[in-house]
Amino acid sequence: DAKTTQPNSMESNEEEPVHLPCNHSTISGTDYIHWYRQLPSQGPEYVIHGLTSNVNNRMASLAIAEDRKSSTLILHRATLRDAAVYYCILSKKQGGSEKLVFGKGTKLTVNP
Amino acid sequence: GAGVSQSPSNKVTEKGKDVELRCDPISGHTALYWYRQSLGQGLEFLIYFQGNSAPDKSGLPSDRFSAERTGGSVSTLTIQRTQQEDSAVYLCASSSGQGARWSTRDTQYFGPGTRLTVL
Repeated sequence: DAKTTQPNSMESNEEEPVHLPCNHSTISGTDYIHWYRQLPSQGPEYVIHGLTSNVNNRMASLAIAEDRKSSTLILHRATLRDAAVYYCILSKKQGGSEKLVFGKGTKLTVNP
Repeated sequence: GAGVSQSPSNKVTEKGKDVELRCDPISGHTALYWYRQSLGQGLEFLIYFQGNSAPDKSGLPSDRFSAERTGGSVSTLTIQRTQQEDSAVYLCASSSGQGARWSTRDTQYFGPGTRLTVL
């Protein structure tokens, strides 16, 4: 699996936007970009995924570079509940659901 | 609707004993995954079941680990002769996607995990 690189930690202030970067310079044409997050003492939860185009959903936006070698998860207005570890994951789709390879992610701290 | 449930939530055992961890996936989900998360680490894939296909066991760390899924629903992860390095949170996830392209149906829904402590 192609690898991703994320900062170990980031801080933000409440109600400000947060841009979480992810580098994936060895991404292949069939790799999808996924973001999950893990709140303290909980299992991970899905945030967003994309292939080539930018994506928006009720939780966040995903901006994908034109060469696809990097992407950014955007939380438009951080709240205290967004404090979590955010994982950027690459995975192919091979005719069935696929395992996800989690790295160490970015620990986001939101200051009140 | 009900999410993924796991039991027990906590398990403390002595080194050398066998343990069984249970996962109840979301009803109708054909895919089921087991991961484990050691303290301060990311998730490590263990095993994956998809429908009636042979499971992907490529992540199991040793032959002391095994898992089964009965009737395409409930799954049990068994660890034999537990060691202290087996201490971790064991997470189960399920999803319903089976198509050729990723969609939100491929979202993995995780349970709360079982915290295993081997003394």
